[in-house]
Amino acid sequence: QVQLVESGGGVVQPGRSLRLTCSASGFTFNSFTMHWVRQAPGKGLEWVAIVSSDGSNKYYADSVKGRFTISRDNSKNTLYLQMNSLRAEDTAVYYCAKDLYLWGQGTLVTVSS
Amino acid sequence: QSVLTQPPSVSAAPGQKVTISCSGSSSNVGNNPVSWYQQFPGTAPKLLIYENNKRPSEIPDRFSGSKSGTSATLGITGLQTGDEADYYCGTWDSSLSVVVFGGGTELTVL
Repeated sequence: QVQLVESGGGVVQPGRSLRLTCSASGFTFNSFTMHWVRQAPGKGLEWVAIVSSDGSNKYYADSVKGRFTISRDNSKNTLYLQMNSLRAEDTAVYYCAKDLYLWGQGTLVTVSS
Repeated sequence: QSVLTQPPSVSAAPGQKVTISCSGSSSNVGNNPVSWYQQFPGTAPKLLIYENNKRPSEIPDRFSGSKSGTSATLGITGLQTGDEADYYCGTWDSSLSVVVFGGGTELTVL
């Protein structure tokens, strides 16, 4: 069945790095734009980044530009989010989403000393 | 402060109808398709409406979407207690080259 499964979340100290992974199955991964969206505790949805189907085009929210990198490996049906220089305000559940139509269950990232 | 403006909360009685508004500008709602999402506490958002007024096959026709100018609206008829959730609108912003969401609306079925 069509599915997205995020992993890689956890507790990390401010200034450190973390890489999130989103494993896709049940659809032709290399045909779809992919997104990362986050949600801080008790807050609304905040879009983070988008990557085109072939990985050639990427856009980022201003809040993460220069610190986060979205990428994909179409041979592995996998989406990534490399997060560097993490801050307390990056604490959130991170969702990957196919075209913003299908969403994964999310992975929690907590930035705390 | 979200780019798209939604009312923080709406409420109505079971069986009644409610509408949720989403106000933007010409660079987002006015010129790009709007989607609506339903989110229950502790779960991932679920697509309710895409391309302004289209429903995924599994979404009941009690849910509808419309758009006029720089505003979009989600309508829910025959309200059920199980519809109590947060609802978000979202679209692409052509000027900012980002996806923008509304701040979310909490629906209470009294």
